[in-house]
Amino acid sequence: DAMVIQNPRYQVTQFGKPVTLSCSQTLNHNVMYWYQQKSSQAPKLLFHYYDKDFNNEADTPDNFQSRRPNTSFCFLDIRSPGLGDAAMYLCATSRVRTAYEQYFGPGTRLTVT
Amino acid sequence: DAKTTQPNSMESNEEEPVHLPCNHSTISGTDYIHWYRQLPSQGPEYVIHGLTSNVNNRMASLAIAEDRKSSTLILHRATLRDAAVYYCILRDVQNAGNMLTFGGGTRLMVKP
Repeated sequence: DAMVIQNPRYQVTQFGKPVTLSCSQTLNHNVMYWYQQKSSQAPKLLFHYYDKDFNNEADTPDNFQSRRPNTSFCFLDIRSPGLGDAAMYLCATSRVRTAYEQYFGPGTRLTVT
Repeated sequence: DAKTTQPNSMESNEEEPVHLPCNHSTISGTDYIHWYRQLPSQGPEYVIHGLTSNVNNRMASLAIAEDRKSSTLILHRATLRDAAVYYCILRDVQNAGNMLTFGGGTRLMVKP
């Protein structure tokens, strides 16, 4: 049973063309996270939501935005994708921020042409 | 943030035990040791965590040194499906603002 779902699994966008990646969860968790993972690197946290409270990491570029319209869904918006934004984008959830376990989705691989 | 050091890669034979080491000499008293793994083309998945005592679950065992400056993730019988990147992460979960920070990890290769 899928718990953290990411759509699409593969996304191609053009340089500078806005793109939105989506994540949904069936766990009813309070916290949702977005990570960026570039090729052969470890995942890097971009931001997270605790309920409706948005928390941005200090070094996340302004080009990246997020929305969480309800508990189940969270979106990652890249306003003007550059070639350097090509990466795997991972969504994760946890019951609370202090939870030991985060549940990750399969990721969306973004290609920028 | 306390850092961890892991070998870049390790090899194992199928059905043999695997010991994945992690050094964390600057660990603080409130840091929990977490292990996640990432199979090819998938998101990371939680494996195990511990504070001071050794821990066992259905996936693996975690052995923590008495001084807590190192730990070892033990897979009791490696299968081909265990081939993945294993991340050892320190996190003070008592601090809600303290997030999961992935380091380099160890790429485990399992030979049939």
